[in-house]
Amino acid sequence: NAGVTQTPKFQVLKTGQSMTLQCAQDMNHNSMYWYRQDPGMGLRLIYYSASEGTTDKGEVPNGYNVSRLNKREFSLRLESAAPSQTSVYFCASNWDRGGGQPQHFGDGTRLSIL
Amino acid sequence: GENVEQHPSTLSVQEGDSAVIKCTYSDSASNYFPWYKQELGKGPQLIIDIRSNVGEKKDQRIAVTLNKTAKHFSLHITETQPEDSAVYFCAARNNYGQNFVFGPGTRLSVLP
Repeated sequence: NAGVTQTPKFQVLKTGQSMTLQCAQDMNHNSMYWYRQDPGMGLRLIYYSASEGTTDKGEVPNGYNVSRLNKREFSLRLESAAPSQTSVYFCASNWDRGGGQPQHFGDGTRLSIL
Repeated sequence: GENVEQHPSTLSVQEGDSAVIKCTYSDSASNYFPWYKQELGKGPQLIIDIRSNVGEKKDQRIAVTLNKTAKHFSLHITETQPEDSAVYFCAARNNYGQNFVFGPGTRLSVLP
């Protein structure tokens, strides 16, 4: 049982390049999330998907797009990377966005934009 | 919207001592409060959570207390061990379509 798997673990990009971060969960969770983590700022929500076929903006969506490919997979795309997007990105999932359901996190993708 | 503050930002304790981390929240409708531990190079892992109908919850050396009136909740770690060294995050959410809001984190160092 792998839980939440993120790929790649590390990536270096040049300004203006594009890339897609992949996330997959094997817990049959309905809801999935993308966060970014910056020093001293905790976790900030970029986008979320409450259920298969739906996506919504979080606190910091500018410069990102997402795709809920199926129930298991939720990808995050940077169309034109900027240095301000240098961060650690975490994917999470839980049974249901509503109510008291804890989130399960992957181990992150460390992204540097030069 | 919800705002979660967390103190202290860094905490150093001697092995065997207790550690307390406190979080405050702003939205009185928040009713679920998880705590996460994040080790270096890893994602956050849930260590304990509490719901608003409970005032305290314990799991071995870890406990969480909730004061709904004051809108704060705290993580208590007793008999600390070096492997407790990590960054700890609190979070809050409610049932009314809101997402989790996380505190900025506390870096705990347990000195041998």
